[in-house]
Amino acid sequence: GENVEQHPSTLSVQEGDSAVIKCTYSDSASNYFPWYKQELGKRPQLIIDIRSNVGEKKDQRIAVTLNKTAKHFSLHITETQPEDSAVYFCAASKGSNYKLTFGKGTLLTVNP
Amino acid sequence: DTAVSQTPKYLVTQMGNDKSIKCEQNLGHDTMYWYKQDSKKFLKIMFSYNNKELIINETVPNRFSPKSPDKAHLNLHINSLELGDSAVYFCASSNQVNQPQHFGDGTRLSIL
Repeated sequence: GENVEQHPSTLSVQEGDSAVIKCTYSDSASNYFPWYKQELGKRPQLIIDIRSNVGEKKDQRIAVTLNKTAKHFSLHITETQPEDSAVYFCAASKGSNYKLTFGKGTLLTVNP
Repeated sequence: DTAVSQTPKYLVTQMGNDKSIKCEQNLGHDTMYWYKQDSKKFLKIMFSYNNKELIINETVPNRFSPKSPDKAHLNLHINSLELGDSAVYFCASSNQVNQPQHFGDGTRLSIL
């Protein structure tokens, strides 16, 4: 089955800096890659997603890149703010089923 | 209106008891899911139903039994609760394969 590795497990940055979280996946058939943000005690919320026919997608301060050949994708957050502090999860799935396999999460702390 | 709602929000009970968690979505989605998030924040799929049909059944003990009376509801019944069942259980829903999953607020289950 699919295996998703996520790094780093914790990331601390200064307000205004950029943050990058990287994920690799094992199943070359995977074609949908969402990113979720989970604040403490809250539910995971989708922040951005990318499909395998696209190499990059951007939404304001958040961008995701996908390298299908290397089977890895990354989340980029620019001009970080304290409210960006949360656990971020990457995930992967393929069109033949509904199963979403999550990475183990990255705890991002943005220091004011 | 809450899109995916779970009840109860908190559940504290003793080992050996039987309990149920209910989930309802008003998004008109065809697919619903149960996830378990352990103390290390790892999100793992347990079950998924598509139009009341079970489509994902991961390696979960038989003590866990999902039931979907209609496509807007997915309940989870747990028999003979064990200490290791302590976790946050999230319900989610999506429309078709490879579409964003929307999560409920979670049910925090604590076994004494």
